[in-house]
Amino acid sequence: NAGVMQNPRHLVRRRGQEARLRCSPMKGHSHVYWYRQLPEEGLKFMVYLQKENIIDESGMPKERFSAEFPKEGPSILRIQQVVRGDSAAYFCASSPLGTSGRKETQYFGPGTRLLVL
Amino acid sequence: KNEVEQSPQNLTAQEGEFITINCSYSVGISALHWLQQHPGGGIVSLFMLSSGKKKHGRLIATINIQEKHSSLHITASHPRDSAVYICAVIVTGNQFYFGTGTSLTVIP
Repeated sequence: NAGVMQNPRHLVRRRGQEARLRCSPMKGHSHVYWYRQLPEEGLKFMVYLQKENIIDESGMPKERFSAEFPKEGPSILRIQQVVRGDSAAYFCASSPLGTSGRKETQYFGPGTRLLVL
Repeated sequence: KNEVEQSPQNLTAQEGEFITINCSYSVGISALHWLQQHPGGGIVSLFMLSSGKKKHGRLIATINIQEKHSSLHITASHPRDSAVYICAVIVTGNQFYFGTGTSLTVIP
């Protein structure tokens, strides 16, 4: 059973370009989470998605950032018109569907390092 | 003020020493994770716990819900334990709040 996969592992963009980060959850997992780790800072929650639904996007910047988790295919975190401050490591995690509200362990992907020049 | 505070921020130990990393939080939680981030950046979930104590190999995690405190212990530490250890608490839904991490270096 493959783990959570993210690609690309490294992404370089110039200011103003778009960045698309992909996350394939573990097989059987229907919940995906995106986190950002800025240089010299801790991890911050961005968004929580289930298939075709955004459940909690309270950590997403209001502009330029969007996320989706379509019925088929990976989850995508999209950053439009990137700025230097977007340079960070972006981690995706997935978990299975919990029963009766039980919290399930999240499994992390290797991350995508975004560098904006 | 951060919802999750870890101590110490940095820790250097000799191989074989017993190590404790502490985590205090100020919010009501449904569960707490201990994560390990290797120098290459990958993140591994070590434990998820909501009460009591869990053990996995040389790692032990405890949590006291009333005192809002958790500890991660490493027995017989080894250089390969060198990593950043992150405490994360789950609040509403599945949202995490993360500590800033404890950077551990184990010297041979």
